[in-house]
Amino acid sequence: QVQLVESGGGVVQPGRSLRLSCAASGFTFGSYEMHWVRQAPGKGLEWVALISYHGSDKYYADSVKGRFTISRDNSKNTLYLQMSSLRVDDTAVYYCAREQDWAFDIWGQGTTVTVSS
Amino acid sequence: EIVLTQSPATLSLRPGERATLSCRASQTVSSYLAWYQQRPGQAPRLLINDASRRATGIPARFSGSGSGTDFTLTISSLEPEDFAVYYCQQRSSGPLTFGGGTKVEIK
Repeated sequence: QVQLVESGGGVVQPGRSLRLSCAASGFTFGSYEMHWVRQAPGKGLEWVALISYHGSDKYYADSVKGRFTISRDNSKNTLYLQMSSLRVDDTAVYYCAREQDWAFDIWGQGTTVTVSS
Repeated sequence: EIVLTQSPATLSLRPGERATLSCRASQTVSSYLAWYQQRPGQAPRLLINDASRRATGIPARFSGSGSGTDFTLTISSLEPEDFAVYYCQQRSSGPLTFGGGTKVEIK
C-alpha cells in the first residue's frame, strides 16, 4: 500500500547535526513533489521544506533556511532532511508528506527530534 | 506570507451535533485551500482539497466551502471519532502555511 516511513530522529545537543530519512513505497516516488512538515510539542503544523520531482528545485521556511537541506534519491525511493546547527526550538515531530493537487495526501507517521543539552 | 486564522480555537459539541469551522486568509488564496484532521498521537489526514473536494475515503458528513479569503469546514453530524484538531492549509502563493487549528472537543 501507499506508505511513507520516517526514521533518523533522536536526542541531539544544540549545534549538532542530524539526518532524517523518509522511505516511500506503493507509488511512483519520482512523480511527486515531497515535503517535510514539523510539529513542536503541543503546537500546530509548520511547513519546513519542499523538493521538486527530480530534486532540482528546493524551498525552505525562513526558520530553517541555511541550516536544513532537503534532498531525495529517486532510485532508492527516499527523501532526506539534513539538519545542522540544531536549536532547541527545532524540537518537534517531523513528518514527510506527499503533495498531490496542492495538498498533502499521504503522510508518514513522524519521527521525533529532541534538541537538548 | 499568507496568514491563515482559524476560529474558534476550541469548539465544544455533542455527538450528533453540527460543527462549523472557519478559516480566514490574510489575502486571497483562490480555492487552493485544504483541510486536515489530526487525532491525538496520529499524523494529519487530508479531508478536503481545493476548498470543497473531499479526499478519497472521506465520509460525506465532511464538507468544505468558500473561496478567496473565507472558508468553512462543516461536519454535519459529529461521530465520536471526529473529536480531533482540524487545520487549514494554503498553497496559493509564497511559503506554504497552515492555520493554527481548531480543536473539536466533546461537551
